[in-house]
Amino acid sequence: KQEVTQIPAALSVPEGENLVLNCSFTDSAIYNLQWFRQDPGKGLTSLLLIQSSQREQTSGRLNASLDKSSGRSTLYIAASQPGDSATYLCAVIVLTGGGNKLTFGTGTQLKVEL
Amino acid sequence: GAVVSQHPSWVICKSGTSVKIECRSLDFQATTMFWYRQFPKQSLMLMATSNEGSKATYEQGVEKDKFLINHASLTLSTLTVTSAHPEDSSFYICSARDLTRNQPQHFGDGTRLSIL
Repeated sequence: KQEVTQIPAALSVPEGENLVLNCSFTDSAIYNLQWFRQDPGKGLTSLLLIQSSQREQTSGRLNASLDKSSGRSTLYIAASQPGDSATYLCAVIVLTGGGNKLTFGTGTQLKVEL
Repeated sequence: GAVVSQHPSWVICKSGTSVKIECRSLDFQATTMFWYRQFPKQSLMLMATSNEGSKATYEQGVEKDKFLINHASLTLSTLTVTSAHPEDSSFYICSARDLTRNQPQHFGDGTRLSIL
């Protein structure tokens, strides 16, 4: 059974700091990996999707890497801002007969302080 | 594009009531819809997957008679929590994708269900 773990569970940093969020998964037979942002009481906003054949994806201040063989992904946030405060979830994606199945990590709750 | 609308966003009801949650894809055909549940400070757990016109496939441990899923059209799926009890209180999120276009899942904004 796939298990997805995120470290740290919570993180508080001052504005402007660069930071790294970690995601690890136990079964490396994945199709894709996706990072999401969730604001309190809200749904999910997709940030980056990395295909299993790729090693990283970038969007603005965000960079996500994937090391499939070691079962790890990182999300790098540059020059953090208070608006980045949210819970960040990674999800590994496997192919099933009914479509892609996502298994979510435990999440990292990020707070960026002024 | 690729907007998923979930309704209601918040519902409070008495124990024993049945509650229906709607999930609509507004600008694409959702061949497949997914229902997730999220307890406080926990991650999303997949409850079931439904393909349009077919019976839903439930994950292990999810009671199909408790959580009724209907996906009768390419733009609408409903989740009905039957005879809800306080332990069913949770945040329910749907997602949808068009399997024919190999697109990722698009998520709704979730429904906060509180059973008194």
